[in-house]
Amino acid sequence: SAVISQKPSRDICQRGTSLTIQCQVDSQVTMMFWYRQQPGQSLTLIATANQGSEATYESGFVIDKFPISRPNLTFSTLTVSNMSPEDSSIYLCSVTNRGGSTDTQYFGPGTRLTVL
Amino acid sequence: QKEVEQDPGPLSVPEGAIVSLNCTYSNSAFQYFMWYRQYSRKGPELLMYTYSSGNKEDGRFTAQVDKSSKYISLFIRDSQPSDSATYLCAMSGNNNAGNMLTFGGGTRLMVKP
Repeated sequence: SAVISQKPSRDICQRGTSLTIQCQVDSQVTMMFWYRQQPGQSLTLIATANQGSEATYESGFVIDKFPISRPNLTFSTLTVSNMSPEDSSIYLCSVTNRGGSTDTQYFGPGTRLTVL
Repeated sequence: QKEVEQDPGPLSVPEGAIVSLNCTYSNSAFQYFMWYRQYSRKGPELLMYTYSSGNKEDGRFTAQVDKSSKYISLFIRDSQPSDSATYLCAMSGNNNAGNMLTFGGGTRLMVKP
């Protein structure tokens, strides 16, 4: 499986500001995903990030609020814009290689965001 | 009704016990079933991956899928305190990772020494 790192690991931010989260993979991967995990809850998919194309957002998530970049096959960023306390959550990136032996998703360690 | 239901627990067992974790689902299109383990303040770690119905064993872990009942299970034998974590089931409709995973809510397991 791929080794995935995220920066920052945690942050405390003020309402109205924006935070960009980075996801770095140690190998080239086909697809990258961004999830949100609110306290005590399971994972909710925000969007799928493919290299060379715009991200595909799930219902309830919009590009203006969560812009995503995927400049190459090993890196992606998620920005949480104009933050409010309701955005306090863990943000996780995951990766997969379509056509791999298991073709399933592997997760990074997460970014714990607190918005005051 | 959620697509994937999972008892949130917490489930507390003594060390050495056999643990049974379960998920039920409603979407008959699901064919790929996964179990993830998530320690506190960490990302989910893939434990088991199975396709369609049947059993799969890996060390102390056994995953079972019963598609006719829309029911999956993860068994942990000889449970250890290090198994204390939240266990998430996940499933997808085909072997296309572009198809999103649907997660259960997670079951928190505590194994007491």
